[in-house]
Amino acid sequence: GQQVMQIPQYQHVQEGEDFTTYCNSSTTLSNIQWYKQRPGGHPVFLIQLVKSGEVKKQKRLTFQFGEAKKNSSLHITATQTTDVGTYFCAGIVKAAGNKLTFGGGTRVLVKP
Amino acid sequence: DGGITQSPKYLFRKEGQNVTLSCEQNLNHDAMYWYRQDPGQGLRLIYYSQIVNDFQKGDIAEGYSVSREKKESFPLTVTSAQKNPTAFYLCASSIGGAGGYEQFFGPGTRLTVL
Repeated sequence: GQQVMQIPQYQHVQEGEDFTTYCNSSTTLSNIQWYKQRPGGHPVFLIQLVKSGEVKKQKRLTFQFGEAKKNSSLHITATQTTDVGTYFCAGIVKAAGNKLTFGGGTRVLVKP
Repeated sequence: DGGITQSPKYLFRKEGQNVTLSCEQNLNHDAMYWYRQDPGQGLRLIYYSQIVNDFQKGDIAEGYSVSREKKESFPLTVTSAQKNPTAFYLCASSIGGAGGYEQFFGPGTRLTVL
């Protein structure tokens, strides 16, 4: 079945530094979504990417969809303590019924 | 206020008992979903419904059952057949079920089976 993998599983970041988390799918995706889950909370939608090679920015967050639509990345610049949480990517494959398949997440811890 | 509500927030049950988790939305969304999240892991789809009176199995449906008699409600029953039911259960909804729509999540129910 379809698998979505995220690396790293954990990311310890010094406040003010940049980092990138990666998402890889075993199959070609039609769309990819990113969610953020704060500790003790529920996932909240961040963004959706649809086109091959698409890049979208939200303030300090930059999302990219690979040319082959099998991978994606989230880059955060100048990390702040408010960035703490787990970031999930979720892929959609039309042939699989348009269900979201979530990656395992990258848990981000920020050192002040 | 529009949103998704799940109740209760914490639930304790004895092994062998069935338990039903509530999920209600007033967003007028057609599609609703149930996910299971285990500690330190991602979300796994249990069941989903794209329209009232219809639902499909997700990736881990065994030991669970659902109903969708009303658009705003999608209760999940965790049966005694579920081998390892202790987990965090999240309900979500989206405008449509055709894919490509943002999913809105409820606050979740943390189920502990003793």
